[in-house]
Amino acid sequence: ETGVTQTPRHLVMGMTNKKSLKCEQHLGHNAMYWYKQSAKKPLELMFVYSLEERVENNSVPSRFSPECPNSSHLFLHLHTLQPEDSALYLCASSLSAERGNTIYFGEGSWLTVV
Amino acid sequence: AQRVTQPEKLLSVFKGAPVELKCNYSYSGSPELFWYVQYSRQRLQLLLRHISRESIKGFTADLNKGETSFHLKKPFAQEEDSAMYYCALSGYNNDMRFGAGTRLTVKP
Repeated sequence: ETGVTQTPRHLVMGMTNKKSLKCEQHLGHNAMYWYKQSAKKPLELMFVYSLEERVENNSVPSRFSPECPNSSHLFLHLHTLQPEDSALYLCASSLSAERGNTIYFGEGSWLTVV
Repeated sequence: AQRVTQPEKLLSVFKGAPVELKCNYSYSGSPELFWYVQYSRQRLQLLLRHISRESIKGFTADLNKGETSFHLKKPFAQEEDSAMYYCALSGYNNDMRFGAGTRLTVKP
């Protein structure tokens, strides 16, 4: 499979649960991203990883914990979330984290916190 | 501050009519600008980038530094152009900031 794939596509979790979102890219890219898309706000950048090192954390609460074990995989670990965290979480990748690189998106993981 | 503004949430035109989706930006350096598109039930994907100066699916976008704009244009809209369009600005660490998006509907 090519491109950026995300699992699960849909997730419902309670506020006390711990779950993880997974992202895998088959493009040979060195940078990966997490974005949040909700009905009330534009696409929000959460994290940027370059060569497995986190280079940007856009003031994201600690209940979201990213992990990048290698340049092809990215996780978003979730715990004690709030209902307002319900949103579409998009993973993306680019050739590098240099400014101006085209970003390629996955289809997203729909998260509902109950 | 790095910011992208798309003033129109919704835009509706008839097939064959010209279309212009507006985008204004705020950036202290030399901007790297993009248009992304999301068709129904598809992932967000690149439409075009200003540095390439290309025309994709009949769309063009010109960077106007004086007006800090990067409007997307097409002379004759088609029904298959109906989608959500996002303007985006790349910053340090390829920190891509997106506008709120404009939903374009092309009526038959």
